[in-house]
This record gives sequence, C-alpha cells and structure tokens, in this order.
Amino acid sequence: GQNIDQPTEMTATEGAIVQINCTYQTSGFNGLFWYQQHAGEAPTFLSYNVLDGLEEKGRFSSFLSRSKGYSYLLLKELQMKDSASYLCAVDSGTYKYIFGTGTRLKVLA
Amino acid sequence: EAQVTQNPRYLITVTGKKLTVTCSQNMNHEYMSWYRQDPGLGLRQIYYSMNVEATDKGDVPEGYKVSRKEKRNFPLILESPSPNQTSLYFCASSSRQGARETQYFGPGTRLLVL
Repeated sequence: GQNIDQPTEMTATEGAIVQINCTYQTSGFNGLFWYQQHAGEAPTFLSYNVLDGLEEKGRFSSFLSRSKGYSYLLLKELQMKDSASYLCAVDSGTYKYIFGTGTRLKVLA
Repeated sequence: EAQVTQNPRYLITVTGKKLTVTCSQNMNHEYMSWYRQDPGLGLRQIYYSMNVEATDKGDVPEGYKVSRKEKRNFPLILESPSPNQTSLYFCASSSRQGARETQYFGPGTRLLVL
C-alpha cells in the first residue's frame, strides 16, 4: 500500500529550530511537497524536492533522501505565526498525490 | 492576481439533492485536482485532471463526478450527496516547469449534508 508518516504534534519555543520528519512508502515517486496550513485555511506551498539533498528558502529548508524514503522540513528562527499544521505529500505518479495526516506545530512564547 | 477560486464557500444541503462545487484558476495550469479533508485522515485526492477532457480517479472517487471542458474550470459534482460526504473540499491547480512543480489551493468549500 501507499503510506506517508509524520508526527501528529510538535511543540517548540519562539526563536528555536524545529525539524519535522516525514517517511513515505509509495508505488512511484515524482517529487515530495511540504505545505503549511493554518486552521480553517487552505494549504500553502512551501517546498518541492525531487532530487536528493537540501533545498533552502529563507527560514525554511527541506531535505530529501529517496533511497531512505525520508524527508524533513527545517524551520529556523521560529515565530508565533509558524504555529500551523505542516503537510508532507508525495506525487506518486504523474499528479497522483498522497498526503500525510499533517504535523500540528505549536510555537510557544 | 494568480488564484484558484471555489464556489460556494459554505453549503448545507440534504441527502440526495444534486449539487455542484465550481473551481476556476487563472494561471493557465494544465493540472487540476479535487481533495477532501477530514479530521485524522488528512487530505485525500478525489479526482484529478491532466488537461482538458483528461480526468482520472484519485483515492476516494466514489460518489463524485468531475468534468474538464475548459482549461480553467474543474467542477465537482455530487449527484446524490450522502452524510458521509460532509467534509472540507479543496480544489488545486499545478504548474510543472522542468523539475519544478508548485501546487496552489483554492480557499475551500465546507459542505454539510443532512
């Protein structure tokens, strides 16, 4: 079957660094996405990895290891507005997307 | 402004009464998709479309229909809604340029089927 696992909830302090992990098992792989979703709102695109390695974009970085079926999202200099759910998703075969259930991140002052 | 729009944003209906949720994008994207989001289950893909007149089933297509007659529009049709279709629905469109892909989501439609 197809499966994406990520922790249900994480807590971190303002100004800190947090790493959200995602492991996946899918029948195919055309890339991995990370989205941010605030409560009651639509997901917004954060990053896309299709090759192994680290992609950095401001305070957010995303890493991919295809051989290990593993990715992480790294958030630096946490701010209160980063409190949200973070969704990991895999394009398992030409626009057939599989999503994880999301990681709810709480940032404490 | 580049965006995906959905209508209506909120809908309360009764079992069996056909309804359509519209989705439109102004970015000339070839790919569009419908998802439902339920607590504890995450986002699940209902149907997707690779281009005009090209649609395919996602993970949870039962009870839904779609059509793609124009590139910008991708309506979701519930012919005979049932209470288990009560959910939050998102439409999305995507562009793929070389190795880069970005997916944009609409604001969501909250549906309650009584």
